[in-house]
Amino acid sequence: AQKITQTQPGMFVQEKEAVTLDCTYDTSDPSYGLFWYKQPSSGEMIFLIYQGSYDQQNATEGRYSLNFQKARKSANLVISASQLGDSAMYFCAMRGTNFGNEKLTFGTGTRLTIIP
Amino acid sequence: DARVTQTPRHKVTEMGQEVTMRCQPILGHNTVFWYRQTMMQGLELLAYFRNRAPLDDSGMPKDRFSAEMPDATLATLKIQPSEPRDSAVYFCASGFLISGTGNNQPQHFGDGTRLSIL
Repeated sequence: AQKITQTQPGMFVQEKEAVTLDCTYDTSDPSYGLFWYKQPSSGEMIFLIYQGSYDQQNATEGRYSLNFQKARKSANLVISASQLGDSAMYFCAMRGTNFGNEKLTFGTGTRLTIIP
Repeated sequence: DARVTQTPRHKVTEMGQEVTMRCQPILGHNTVFWYRQTMMQGLELLAYFRNRAPLDDSGMPKDRFSAEMPDATLATLKIQPSEPRDSAVYFCASGFLISGTGNNQPQHFGDGTRLSIL
């Protein structure tokens, strides 16, 4: 079974500062993918970034980067130069790669609030 | 940009009524998922399809829920009869996934159907 743990229910960060959202995971699968999604107050789920378990380098997408530490089973999201529009819920998720085991397992989320 | 389209966006109905939610996946995507989001349970998988065939519906209450893909452009989720505990946001997501590889394709979500059962 796969499990995602997000230990920060809420965070307040000053605008323009960097922010790190924590995510740890547990799985017995040798191959898996890790994802981060953003959910603004309007409710949609927006894909941010992906990290494969065999990827050697940490993923980056614009202001988002994923600090992947496989031995520690952590996949923290780093947002650089935060903006007011970054205020939202952020979900870490994991996906298996085997046929029939490709659902996303989500964490409980972190509500990020950017303060002007 | 291509999007997953869900209808209706909002639905309010009385318990006992049939509810049908529809999803148009992104053209070319071979995998469709149905998730439910509640405050208590968070986001959880209800069912998913590969090339229109059901692969996993273990998260779905079988006695009242049913999910189908009549064709590649339409997925449906039905609840009959509906109950107040079914009130939630229901998301459809699609992706092009190849099993057994490090496929990095994300699942793209629709905007969800916010369902309220009175």
